[in-house]
Amino acid sequence: AQTVTQSQPEMSVQEAETVTLSCTYDTSENNYYLFWYKQPPSRQMILVIRQEAYKQQNATENRFSVNFQKAAKSFSLKISDSQLGDTAMYFCAFNYGGSQGNLIFGKGTKLSVKP
Amino acid sequence: DAGVIQSPRHEVTEMGQEVTLRCKPISGHNSLFWYRQTMMRGLELLIYFNNNVPIDDSGMPEDRFSAKMPNASFSTLKIQPSEPRDSAVYFCASSFYPDTDFFGQGTRLTVV
Repeated sequence: AQTVTQSQPEMSVQEAETVTLSCTYDTSENNYYLFWYKQPPSRQMILVIRQEAYKQQNATENRFSVNFQKAAKSFSLKISDSQLGDTAMYFCAFNYGGSQGNLIFGKGTKLSVKP
Repeated sequence: DAGVIQSPRHEVTEMGQEVTLRCKPISGHNSLFWYRQTMMRGLELLIYFNNNVPIDDSGMPEDRFSAKMPNASFSTLKIQPSEPRDSAVYFCASSFYPDTDFFGQGTRLTVV
């Protein structure tokens, strides 16, 4: 069975600094998708970034980038120039596709950005 | 598009009552998911529809839970009878594979 592990329940960072959130996963599939979702206090689940496993290039979205290590089954999220609005729960998620499109989530990392 | 729309946003009910949560997916999406979020278990899939057909309901905790998708633009999740341990945030999400799942704002259910 596929599993997603986020080993950091809570993290904090100073405004304008860089922080990296860790995620590892376990799967026997070769083609799959990985995601980072942000959940602010409003509880809305917001897609931050997405990575297709067949792509070697790491995905980047403005201040957000990933370090995807397929062999190590690692998918970390780097947030550069942290802003107060980045304060939220961050969930790593996995989708192996095929006929089953549902997401498998990690337990989340609570990120606090301090002024 | 207005995104995935869930109603109600909040629901407080007494133990034993029937609860119905509603979801309108994004137009054109062919997959719909119901997730439940609790502190103890995190986010977990309850049921998943593809083209209005239930594909995987292995996450539905008990027979008290049922879900329907009568057409491409509407789905319900019903709990009957409700129990305090059903208190959680329930999310509906939709997608057009292999695109990303888009989530609604969730329904916070409290059973007292």
